[in-house]
Amino acid sequence: RKEVEQDPGPFNVPEGATVAFNCTYSNSASQSFFWYRQDCRKEPKLLMSVYSSGNEDGRFTAQLNRASQYISLLIRDSKLSDSATYLCVVPLGGGGNKLTFGTGTQLKVEL
Amino acid sequence: NAGVTQTPKFQVLKTGQSMTLQCAQDMNHNSMYWYRQDPGMGLRLIYYSASEGTTDKGEVPNGYNVSRLNKREFSLRLESAAPSQTSVYFCASSRGEGGGANVLTFGAGSRLTVL
Repeated sequence: RKEVEQDPGPFNVPEGATVAFNCTYSNSASQSFFWYRQDCRKEPKLLMSVYSSGNEDGRFTAQLNRASQYISLLIRDSKLSDSATYLCVVPLGGGGNKLTFGTGTQLKVEL
Repeated sequence: NAGVTQTPKFQVLKTGQSMTLQCAQDMNHNSMYWYRQDPGMGLRLIYYSASEGTTDKGEVPNGYNVSRLNKREFSLRLESAAPSQTSVYFCASSRGEGGGANVLTFGAGSRLTVL
């Protein structure tokens, strides 16, 4: 099993739709998780941190399921500007300095 | 507010040439990282420096060397470039401790082509 796995997509959704991505991870000791957003030919930027109780920021909700070892990202009321690649990030081992990135899920929001 | 600055933004090398990618951060972060990003592979960690004076190998260190020159600067050197090192390179930094310790701030990236 890969350390971090994501469905590459693309997910093509109409504007206003709700879309969800999952990310599975193999290291059960991982403590903190992140979602980053990457626009085409740009650097990744932090979207949300994911903690045990989950996290909500406006239209974005991130949740953690430790038992099944996955994190999820839910986007409500999708906007054209949400079109990007969403990267799941998981720390390796018990320490935090080595962060493993998933390959990313591409989202395309259409009119 | 510069954040993380990488140079150069673009570089074309011939096989066997050497070059150094420079990275500097002005956020007083302890930890710095070099990643490479290839299509379908995601970002892969090359080397990282948890704090000034320390460096450690990441997932794909072969063919690279790094230097943590001081707290601000972390350079990546390709001693003898190979076509397999054609990639987009990202430098990143994080606090490394305390709240938000592992939140990464990235530079804009350096696109390297090795012919």
